Amino acid sequence: AQSVTQPDIHITVSEGASLELRCNYSYGATPYLFWYVQSPGQGLQLLLKYFSGDTLVQGIKGFEAEFKRSQSSFNLRKPSVHWSDAAEYFCAVDLMTTDSWGKLQFGAGTQVVVTP
Amino acid sequence: DSGVTQTPKHLITATGQRVTLRCSPRSGDLSVYWYQQSLDQGLQFLIHYYNGEERAKGNILERFSAQQFPDLHSELNLSSLELGDSALYFCASSPSGGGTDTQYFGPGTRLTVL
Repeated sequence: AQSVTQPDIHITVSEGASLELRCNYSYGATPYLFWYVQSPGQGLQLLLKYFSGDTLVQGIKGFEAEFKRSQSSFNLRKPSVHWSDAAEYFCAVDLMTTDSWGKLQFGAGTQVVVTP
Repeated sequence: DSGVTQTPKHLITATGQRVTLRCSPRSGDLSVYWYQQSLDQGLQFLIHYYNGEERAKGNILERFSAQQFPDLHSELNLSSLELGDSALYFCASSPSGGGTDTQYFGPGTRLTVL
């Protein structure tokens, strides 16, 4: 079945340490890929997206993600985490079929806690 | 601030009732999307409207309906409410509705069904 998987429900990281959030997808073709962040009580904000081309994508707030076709993965990274990065992070895909344009399918999310 | 507004922010109602959630997209955006976020189902796509026309449908219950008006604002109507409908309902908008569009999310409406 088609799915988006975020294997880590919860990650705790120290401020200043690096962060990597995993995302795997299961679809016949490469979908469009997105990472969103949701801060407490807020809506979702797009961090970055991948459609084609360079497999390393730069986003806002110092985040980057790498698309690996062979692993069906689109992992999100940040070299040095700030306390303000504590939030829930969602990986999403758009299947880009004619009857589903704009239909984002989200993973279950990864809750990131930042400790001093 | 994404530029997408949703009203009301909170809604508390009883089972069997009907409610209407309202969304105003960003200025110039033609597409509106509705999503439901609940603890057991996660974030789920409900429906997408583009310039007044339904474009795509997700796992939207028959008790739920939506429309997009000529001024491009959208309403999500939820009827015969059940306890399980309690969730955060997000609206998002985008310029054209193509897959390369960025969807800008509103702050959400938290619905509590008692």
